Order: sequence, then C-alpha cells, then structure tokens
Amino acid sequence: GQNIDQPTEMTATEGAIVQINCTYQTSGFNGLFWYQQHAGEAPTFLSYNVLDGLEEKGRFSSFLSRSKGYSYLLLKELQMKDSASYLCAVRDSGGYQKVTFGTGTKLQVIP
Amino acid sequence: ETGVTQTPRHLVMGMTNKKSLKCEQHLGHNAMYWYKQSAKKPLELMFVYNFKEQTENNSVPSRFSPECPNSSHLFLHLHTLQPEDSALYLCASSLDRPSYEQYFGPGTRLTVT
Repeated sequence: GQNIDQPTEMTATEGAIVQINCTYQTSGFNGLFWYQQHAGEAPTFLSYNVLDGLEEKGRFSSFLSRSKGYSYLLLKELQMKDSASYLCAVRDSGGYQKVTFGTGTKLQVIP
Repeated sequence: ETGVTQTPRHLVMGMTNKKSLKCEQHLGHNAMYWYKQSAKKPLELMFVYNFKEQTENNSVPSRFSPECPNSSHLFLHLHTLQPEDSALYLCASSLDRPSYEQYFGPGTRLTVT
C-alpha cells in the first residue's frame, strides 16, 4: 500500500516562491504525479517524476528523491490564480494504472 | 474543456433509488477510472478499466456497480446508497502507459438523502 503526506494548507504572497512538500511510504513505486485542483473543478496534470532530480516546466518545477521517499512542487512568481489545492499522487509498481493520492495542500495566494 | 465529460453534474437521490452516472472520453484513451472525493479526504480510487476489462476494484461496496461497454464510455450504477456515499465522483481516462497522466472529468456531485 501507499501512505502519502502533504501539508494541509499553505499561504504565500503574490510574486513569491512556494515549495509544497510530499513524503510517501510505499510497497512499490513507479512514478509520482502532481495535480492542481481549483475549488469545484477537476484535477489537472502538472508534472510527472519517475527518476531522481528536478523537472522544470515554466513557473512550476517538481523534484523527486526516491531514496528519501520525498518530492516537492516549486511554484515561482506566484499569481493569484495559483490559489488551488495541489495533489501529490504515487503510482504503484504492481499495477501501473493504480495511483494513490494524498489529501492535497490547499494553497492561498495573497496580495 | 478536458475531453472527459460526465453526466449528471449534480444528483440527489434517496437511499432506495437506483441511478447511474455516465462518463465519456473523446481522447482516444484505453484506460478509464472512477474516483470518489470526499471533504478532507484524498481521492479514492474505486475502479479501473483497461481496454474495457476491469483491472482494479479497490474494495468498493457492491452497491456501486461499474460498467464499461467500450473504451470511450464508463458508467457507475448506484443502488441502495448510504448518506456517507455523498461525495464528488470523478471519472478519469489515460493511455495505458506508466508515464501518461490521467485526464479528469468535471465530476458528479452526489447527495444521498
């Protein structure tokens, strides 16, 4: 099984940088996803990491350390529209379609 | 527009009713999923279908019955639900490869009275 931990809430200032952490304990691992979910909307894909290191995509970057069971999502130049929940999800090695989600981190961006 | 549609968007049903949720994907994906999202809980995977075959049933009560007639359509049949089944039910689809992300529909907000 999978156990995924993320902070419940975070607040950051417009224009700043924020890092959202995710730790996981798994019986198997085959990749980690980050999704963004605005209130009342469906989750949308942000990033995928399967090897150690940093993946950069515009203002968003995601980092993975498999040995530490740790990932973070880095959001730069925060905008008000970045206020949303950020979901960390781990893919099980047993069945590659089986993805376990964390409870999500609700980020509030303030002026 | 995500390419995954769900109907209805809102549903209120009594515990003795029978209803069905529908999901359709227009993305050419092979795998489809049902998730349950309750307040302050993580997304819970319920069922996975790959090429119309059920590959995961995550210990879901039998009052939830999935159906996948083809790779583009997925149904969730509901009967004799309980109030604690009230939640947002999300459908998703993906290609059947590990690195491919899931695309989610807008969800059906279900209230059981």
